[in-house]
Amino acid sequence: EAGVVQSPRYKIIEKKQPVAFWCNPISGHNTLYWYRQNLGQGPELLIRYENEEAVDDSQLPKDRFSAERLKGVDSTLKIQPAELGDSAVYLCASSFNFDTDTQYFGPGTRLTVL
Amino acid sequence: AQSVTQLGSHVSVSEGALVLLRCNYSSSVPPYLFWYVQYPNQGLQLLLKYTSAATLVKGINGFEAEFKKSETSFHLTKPSAHMSDAAEYFCAVSEGTGRRALTFGSGTRLQVQP
Repeated sequence: EAGVVQSPRYKIIEKKQPVAFWCNPISGHNTLYWYRQNLGQGPELLIRYENEEAVDDSQLPKDRFSAERLKGVDSTLKIQPAELGDSAVYLCASSFNFDTDTQYFGPGTRLTVL
Repeated sequence: AQSVTQLGSHVSVSEGALVLLRCNYSSSVPPYLFWYVQYPNQGLQLLLKYTSAATLVKGINGFEAEFKKSETSFHLTKPSAHMSDAAEYFCAVSEGTGRRALTFGSGTRLQVQP
């Protein structure tokens, strides 16, 4: 069974530039999560989707971050414009449904903003 | 609000020695508790989870954890460390079936000395 796929794995951009991350969850998983992991810290939730609906985006900085999950499958997270403080690893995870089901994580995208 | 505290950002043990990684949580409702492991440049992998069944939970790779409500703890142990156990370990909590995402601790880096 294929795991959660993310691309790109690494991205280096200059501040004020836009950037996008892509995630393809495990087939059949209805719930998709985007987390941000700062250096030396645990992941923090940015947004959670159930199918194509964003059901928890309270931690998403909406002035510069946006996300979409068209057709309830793969998802894109965008930052525009990027700031120095956005340097982090962006992790995507999926689960069959919310509640107690295990979240499966992708390898992440490491973003460096110069 | 829920939170997780992992005591010790770095733990070093000798190969064959006991591994003990500490996790304390706070939650206003009965929690679900998780331990994840993260190898360099990889996503998080679930080691084990507690979801209100048996208080002693066995996971993969010989790890286990015990839920102690009176101490609000969920410490991770392994009787004998292997070199391959060297990684970052994260404890996480979710508030039962309240349909909330995971809140992670800041992680403990385990080093295994030969």
